[in-house]
Amino acid sequence: EIVMTQSPATLSVSPGERATLSCRASQSVSSNLDWYQQKPGQAPRLLIYGASTRATGIPARFSGSGSGTEFTLTISSLQSEDFAVYYCQQYNNWPWTFGLGTRVEI
Amino acid sequence: QVQLQESGPGLVKPSETLSLTCTVSNGSISSYYWSWIRQPPGKGLEWIGFIYDTGNTNYNPSLKRRVTISLDTSKNQFSLKLTSVTAADTAVYYCARLQWLAPYYYYMDVWGQGTTVTVSS
Repeated sequence: EIVMTQSPATLSVSPGERATLSCRASQSVSSNLDWYQQKPGQAPRLLIYGASTRATGIPARFSGSGSGTEFTLTISSLQSEDFAVYYCQQYNNWPWTFGLGTRVEI
Repeated sequence: QVQLQESGPGLVKPSETLSLTCTVSNGSISSYYWSWIRQPPGKGLEWIGFIYDTGNTNYNPSLKRRVTISLDTSKNQFSLKLTSVTAADTAVYYCARLQWLAPYYYYMDVWGQGTTVTVSS
């Protein structure tokens, strides 16, 4: 199965700063990658699908890029509500797999 | 908007069968894929599998021998059964709608709140 590696495990940033989260696949997944945000005690929320398309209602400060094996989620100016865990997930090969997540904290 | 709600026992004994149901409200179960994902305490997310409204299923090979996902369109529900459970199956179990968008986009756009299942005697 494809292993998704996210880095860093924890990212400490201040509100208003830019956050860059990385996700690497153990083999090419083309652009078949989604990003989810999860806050404590809540279900994940879809942010980005197809590596770069924002889901409905997702603010423009969230952007995704990459293809093949290297992907990036960028939050241009962190808001207080953005502190959460972010997961990437590939759907190129079954079983679809998630990374272990990047925790974005103050 | 569409809402999902998981239901089922919160405690299951080792070697027994875990059974959960996801009820779809404010929308039809037809023409979509429906999935189950789980999250062990303090850990990441794991795909269990999904089902299409035709009844076709796809299971994670790591769980395939033990898992069954089924659909009840008359009740607008889908279900998960996981047999021979152990402590390793303790997790929050989520149901989610798996959206397919041509040509090849898949994403989970609606999630249940999750239900905690503990495997313990």
